[in-house]
Amino acid sequence: GQNIDQPTEMTATEGAIVQINCTYQTSGFNGLFWYQQHAGEAPTFLSYNVLDGLEEKGRFSSFLSRSKGYSYLLLKELQMKDSASYLCAVRELSNSGYALNFGKGTSLLVTP
Amino acid sequence: DAEITQSPRHKITETGRQVTLACHQTWNHNNMFWYRQDLGHGLRLIHYSYGVHDTNKGEVSDGYSVSRSNTEDLPLTLESAASSQTSVYFCASSDLAGDEQYFGPGTRLTVT
Repeated sequence: GQNIDQPTEMTATEGAIVQINCTYQTSGFNGLFWYQQHAGEAPTFLSYNVLDGLEEKGRFSSFLSRSKGYSYLLLKELQMKDSASYLCAVRELSNSGYALNFGKGTSLLVTP
Repeated sequence: DAEITQSPRHKITETGRQVTLACHQTWNHNNMFWYRQDLGHGLRLIHYSYGVHDTNKGEVSDGYSVSRSNTEDLPLTLESAASSQTSVYFCASSDLAGDEQYFGPGTRLTVT
């Protein structure tokens, strides 16, 4: 099993930059995913990190430090449509195969 | 376009009844997953399948069962619905076991 911690809520202003942190403890780390979920909708894939460092994808970037059990999602030039929940998910490899364990999500509110 | 669908989208049932939630994907993915999402808990894995006739228990499998008779479908059955199973249920699929997962639109189940 594992613990995944991320802030419950964050608020940021349109046009600004926001960083959403995720810390985890796991015995079989095999990658970290970030998903976006708008209210009442399904989660959608944003990014994936398996090696240390920064992965950039347009306005969104994700960073991973395996030694620290730490990741963050960076959202630049915030738009109102970025108001959503952001889910950190750690992939763990065990004898029964891959399992994706989700954090409880960070609800981001973007204000004008 | 390939997609993943769930039916019904909303269901109200009574305690003790058997309920089956359908999940159908046209991605031709081998891997399919069922999650439930509750406030304060995030997404939790119920059952998953890595291929036809393969099923595995997830973190919260008690009271649920699945069967995989073909690639496209993974129905989730609640054998005797309980009020604790009131939740939003998401089905997901992925190409390779460790790849990003594509989520269906969800089924909101209420057990009265």
